[in-house]
Amino acid sequence: GESVGLHLPTLSVQEGDNSIINCAYSNSASDYFIWYKQESGKGPQFIIDIRSNMDKRQGQRVTVLLNKTVKHLSLQIAATQPGDSAVYFCAELNNAGNMLTFGGGTRLMVKP
Amino acid sequence: EPEVTQTPSHQVTQMGQEVILRCVPISNHLYFYWYRQILGQKVEFLVSFYNNEISEKSEIFDDQFSVERPDGSNFTLKIRSTKLEDSAMYFCASSGLGWDSGNTIYFGEGSWLTVV
Repeated sequence: GESVGLHLPTLSVQEGDNSIINCAYSNSASDYFIWYKQESGKGPQFIIDIRSNMDKRQGQRVTVLLNKTVKHLSLQIAATQPGDSAVYFCAELNNAGNMLTFGGGTRLMVKP
Repeated sequence: EPEVTQTPSHQVTQMGQEVILRCVPISNHLYFYWYRQILGQKVEFLVSFYNNEISEKSEIFDDQFSVERPDGSNFTLKIRSTKLEDSAMYFCASSGLGWDSGNTIYFGEGSWLTVV
């Protein structure tokens, strides 16, 4: 979900369990959404994207769900691994396609 | 795999000094961006650049900031007179023909700027 300031929401899961990370976006007219993974000291890494004409998209071990009615996006990670530990950001692209706005981020911690 | 590269990885500068952060976007990309991330906070949009001009900019991107594509490969962010609050990680990003052509936005590893 969204956060302000230095405190990030944290999701702690057991290795092998499924993870669900949620995000609320602000612009009902946004057409394109991306999930990024950010490890400590590194740049955002693209995970998966979805366009507004879809409500679900699957990748390798990841699924993104889009609910336009309530402006909600979620990222599901199957069989979470220690290497999945990171901060996850959702981002929405404006209609002109020239500005990506990031959400506050969620820290995923995977317990071995 | 092609990637966005940024230099320097870390720079310490005195308040009031000028700083230039450099980026080499992915070679066939046409859209370029700068973002920043203050420690522990979310990634914030600064500016986007297409066809040799600024396409969009945020409130953060005031007159002390400028961008340039001096040649066919580099994309630079200049901060004219740095302030303490400019201390942050600065990310360069690029994308291909536009999101509606199926090209997403890829980020570099960042340049960490510390203003003292």
